Amino acid sequence: DAKTTQPNSMESNEEEPVHLPCNHSTISGTDYIHWYRQLPSQGPEYVIHGLTSNVNNRMASLAIAEDRKSSTLILHRATLRDAAVYYCILRDSNSGYALNFGKGTSLLVTP
Amino acid sequence: NAGVTQTPKFRVLKTGQSMTLLCAQDMNHEYMYWYRQDPGMGLRLIHYSVGEGTTAKGEVPDGYNVSRLKKQNFLLGLESAAPSQTSVYFCASSYSPFSWTDPQETQYFGPGTRLLVL
Repeated sequence: DAKTTQPNSMESNEEEPVHLPCNHSTISGTDYIHWYRQLPSQGPEYVIHGLTSNVNNRMASLAIAEDRKSSTLILHRATLRDAAVYYCILRDSNSGYALNFGKGTSLLVTP
Repeated sequence: NAGVTQTPKFRVLKTGQSMTLLCAQDMNHEYMYWYRQDPGMGLRLIHYSVGEGTTAKGEVPDGYNVSRLKKQNFLLGLESAAPSQTSVYFCASSYSPFSWTDPQETQYFGPGTRLLVL
């Protein structure tokens, strides 16, 4: 399975945009890029996913590099409620049933 | 919709005791999963089910049993609890129209059960 690399932690000010990076230099052509987040003392929740094109939804945007070796999750205006661990996960049809969460990036949002 | 619910939220057991964790989902999902999360580690899959009456082992199945008698429920059992099973347990469910792993599948997680085994 292709691996992902994320910074251990990041810090942001409230109401400012946040760019969370993920490197996946060994990504295959069939890997989808998923992002989940886990708020403190809660279960993980789906954020967004994409294959090649940039994606937007009500929670965030996903920017995928042209060579697909990296991607960035964009929170347009961080709130205190966005403080969480963010996980970048690659999935294709051979990934099996388990989501491989890894260590993720712990995002701290300060007022 | 309640989504995925888990019972109980917190439990303390003594070594050797048994218990059952209940997971329920109201989204009519075929697939259900049990994960455990230990401090500083990611989630690890214990067992999963791809439909009513079917179960399969995940990455760390030893010491656990599961049952899926009804589509909406997935039970995780500990027959003889050990301190190494102290963890936070998460249940998840998903829908996929395919018979193989769908790379676009989204898993929906419950709030977790915190288990302490003394």
